[in-house]
Amino acid sequence: DIVMTQFPLSLPVTPGEPASISCRSSQSLLHSNGNNYLDWYLKKPGQSPQLLIFLSSNRASGVPDRFSGSGSGTDFTLKISRVEAEDVGVYYCMQGLQTPLTFGGGTKVEIK
Amino acid sequence: EVQLVESGGGLVQPGGSLRLSCAASGFTSSNHFMHWVRQAPGKGLEWVSRINPDGSHTTYADSVKGRFTISRDSAKNTLYLQMNSLRAEDTAVYYCARVGRGTYYFYYGIDVWGQGTTVTVSS
Repeated sequence: DIVMTQFPLSLPVTPGEPASISCRSSQSLLHSNGNNYLDWYLKKPGQSPQLLIFLSSNRASGVPDRFSGSGSGTDFTLKISRVEAEDVGVYYCMQGLQTPLTFGGGTKVEIK
Repeated sequence: EVQLVESGGGLVQPGGSLRLSCAASGFTSSNHFMHWVRQAPGKGLEWVSRINPDGSHTTYADSVKGRFTISRDSAKNTLYLQMNSLRAEDTAVYYCARVGRGTYYFYYGIDVWGQGTTVTVSS
C-alpha cells in the first residue's frame, strides 16, 4: 500500500497570510500517462469532504484561485495564497493511483 | 443538481449486518467509478471500497475484505454497501462518493460526496 505522510499536523494561520501544507508518498504517484494522481480535500466540521485539487495541480470546479497545488513524484504541496476564515478545517492529501486509495493523516488548519 | 444521498446507517450489535444505500441524482452513477469512504470518530478518512462503472470489478480495503460487498443497481441509480460481521472498529460515518470524469483527463478526483450515514457497532 502507498503510505501518505502530511505535515504539519496542525497549522495556525492568520487571515490574509499565506499557508502551505506538504504531502509525501511512499512511492511515486506519476502515472505512465504523465499525470500525478494526487488530490487534496478539505473536510470542514459537520460537512462532507470537498475536492480542492486533483492530479496534483488542477483546481476543482468552484474552488477559489487562492488554492494551488504543485509537486510531482513523491512530494506535493498545497498552498493557500491568502487564508480566509472559511478555510478552516482538516486538509487531506490522497493518492488515486492505485487501490487501496490512501489518505494522509490530515492537517488541521485553524485561525490564530 | 448532482447529489448523493446515503441511508441505512444505524446502531447494530457486533456480528450484525447493515446495508447502506446511496441514491444518485442529477447524473448517471453507472457512468462513474464509485467509492465508499469512512471516517471513524476522531480519526481521518479511510477508503473502504470501489466499484467500476459497469459493476464488473470491485476492490476492498483489507480491513473489510470478505465482510463487505459493494454493488450497484443501474436502474435505480443507486450504490450499495452490504456490511456483514460488523465489528466495533467499523463504527464510522460512511460516505459514498463519485469519481469525476471529463473530456481531457482520465481522472478528475472524487468530486461528489454524499452527506454521510452513521454506523455504530456496539452492544
